[in-house]
Amino acid sequence: GAVVSQHPSWVICKSGTSVKIECRSLDFQATTMFWYRQFPKQSLMLMATSNEGSKATYEQGVEKDKFLINHASLTLSTLTVTSAHPEDSSFYICSARSLAGGPYNEQFFGPGTRLTVL
Amino acid sequence: DAKTTQPPSMDCAEGRAANLPCNHSTISGNEYVYWYRQIHSQGPQYIIHGLKNNETNEMASLIITEDRKSSTLILPHATLRDTAVYYCIVRNAGNMLTFGGGTRLMVKP
Repeated sequence: GAVVSQHPSWVICKSGTSVKIECRSLDFQATTMFWYRQFPKQSLMLMATSNEGSKATYEQGVEKDKFLINHASLTLSTLTVTSAHPEDSSFYICSARSLAGGPYNEQFFGPGTRLTVL
Repeated sequence: DAKTTQPPSMDCAEGRAANLPCNHSTISGNEYVYWYRQIHSQGPQYIIHGLKNNETNEMASLIITEDRKSSTLILPHATLRDTAVYYCIVRNAGNMLTFGGGTRLMVKP
């Protein structure tokens, strides 16, 4: 299957600082990328959907000014958590959907980034 | 997208078949059934998907009932490394994946 990478795999930061997480599709072009968040012992919750070259669409309750998403190319999307606070500590997972499409429009997931805000 | 119902947890003996059920009684005709799993602290991993027919690949088999209102994921010979949360998801081809609670499968020696 297609490979999606995330960097960093984990990050610890101080409260009030900003953190950028990168998501790359390594061997395919992704028209659409998704960002999920997962708190301990909970399921993945979709935060936002981004299409290359367009503004991201955020799910209800997700602050777009706090979680900045940039999808500048078909292989890279970034999520910036601005002014991070301890409650933003979570496991952030990106997913990319292939440009090739087809009847299934598969989504491929990255390994996740664990953010801890002190 | 249709919602799914899965048991929150299941145990399975190592080497035995693990049968994970999923109810999706409101599935519509153009929605596929997908199965993903998530091993602790990793991203979800695709397992298998199907529309109407039963499907099999190197990881698992997917059995979909004739009325498509439920399905079963079968891991034929479970190993300790199959311990994970298994998610059953139904969706249209154009929609994103929406995760429910999943089933936490514990494979025991």
